[in-house]
Amino acid sequence: DIQMTQSPSSLSASVGDRVTITCRASHDINYSLNWYQQKPGRAPKIVIYDASILDTGVPSRFSGSGSGTDFTFTISSLQPEDIATYYCQQYDSLPLTFAGGTKLE
Amino acid sequence: DVHLEQSGAEVKKPGESLNISCKTSGFAFTDYYFAWVRQMPGKGLEWMGIIFPGNSDTRYSPSFQGRVTISADKSFTTVYLQWSSLQASDTALYYCARTAMILHHFDSWGPGTLVTVST
Repeated sequence: DIQMTQSPSSLSASVGDRVTITCRASHDINYSLNWYQQKPGRAPKIVIYDASILDTGVPSRFSGSGSGTDFTFTISSLQPEDIATYYCQQYDSLPLTFAGGTKLE
Repeated sequence: DVHLEQSGAEVKKPGESLNISCKTSGFAFTDYYFAWVRQMPGKGLEWMGIIFPGNSDTRYSPSFQGRVTISADKSFTTVYLQWSSLQASDTALYYCARTAMILHHFDSWGPGTLVTVST
């Protein structure tokens, strides 16, 4: 199985801050990485797929980069509605695996 | 509109069986894959397995193989997650999620079904 590691596990930030989350895969997964946002009491929602492609309707303050084993998720200017837990997930091979998440506070 | 509607919360005792469902609408059911994802209380997301209703191809995570059964009914455009004997450790929120390819992103999610297993 491909292990996914995300850091930090929690992050305290203010409105307007630039926020960066990193995700590392135990094996080369090329660009096969997704980022999901999960707000409290809600189902996850896709934000970025294929490492850097914003899903339809996602604000441009969100971005993703990386390939191989190291990936980055950035919110350029944090907004109140961005408070959530963010998960990276690899889809290079089965079983699909998620990292442990980063809780933005 | 794409819609994934999940069955309601369940409270069960250890050893009991359970079948939860994910009723879909608004798209061609047999063109997509459907996965089940577990979220234990206060924890992260775990992929359990996936099914392609078009040909019933089903794959499981090794962590869940033999513990659950994933199935689909094309007539009802519904996918199911079944346990034959629940354990307390099965207490969790279970999401169904849709994907266009077995290896891609989940573009739609159900609201989740909370399963509580307790004596």
